[in-house]
Amino acid sequence: AIQLTQSPSSLSASVGDRVTITCRASQGITTALAWYQQKPGKAPNLLIFDASSLESGVPSRFSGSGSGTDFTLTVSSLQPEDFATYYCQQFHSYPLTFGGGTKVEMK
Amino acid sequence: VQLVQSGAEVKKPGATVKISCKVSGYTFSDLYVHWVQQAPGKGLEWMGLVDCEDGEIKYAEKFQGRVTITADRSTDTANMELSSLRSEDTAVYYCATDLNMVRGALAAMDFYYGMDAWGQGTTVTVSS
Repeated sequence: AIQLTQSPSSLSASVGDRVTITCRASQGITTALAWYQQKPGKAPNLLIFDASSLESGVPSRFSGSGSGTDFTLTVSSLQPEDFATYYCQQFHSYPLTFGGGTKVEMK
Repeated sequence: VQLVQSGAEVKKPGATVKISCKVSGYTFSDLYVHWVQQAPGKGLEWMGLVDCEDGEIKYAEKFQGRVTITADRSTDTANMELSSLRSEDTAVYYCATDLNMVRGALAAMDFYYGMDAWGQGTTVTVSS
């Protein structure tokens, strides 16, 4: 199974900060990667698909990049509603797998 | 599209739980329905999927042998059964789907965009 390693596992940031989260795959997965945001008690919400495509309705401050084994999710200017946990997921092969998550907390 | 899951469950160790996921607003047979486990304070773990067109299933190795995922085309409902429950199975279970997924031809991998529709989650508590 393909393992996804996210870093950091948590970070503290302030409103307006630029935040970058990394997801590394244990083998090449081309661009078959999605990013989700999850808030407490809620289901995950799709942000980015195909590594860099913005899901409809997601603010443009979110962006994704990468291919192969290294991927990043960037929030260009953190807003109060962005404090949440973020997950990557690969779709290159079964079993589908998720990264361990990155919790973005308020500094 | 809506995915509506059945309600919370409390089970004893060794029991079996069955959770349903009713799909509306979309052609059920066009979908794969996935199941995702989230233990308290932990991350997301993919459990498996069912192809609602033909019932083909794929399971994660961790759950193989204990999980059964099915699709009922007469009621547009996907179901997930987890047996031999233990305390570590205490979790929220989500069903989810990718509305834009393209089935791979022959042995080719299916092409996904991402899980863009989720159920509300079902809490399963395993306790003696």
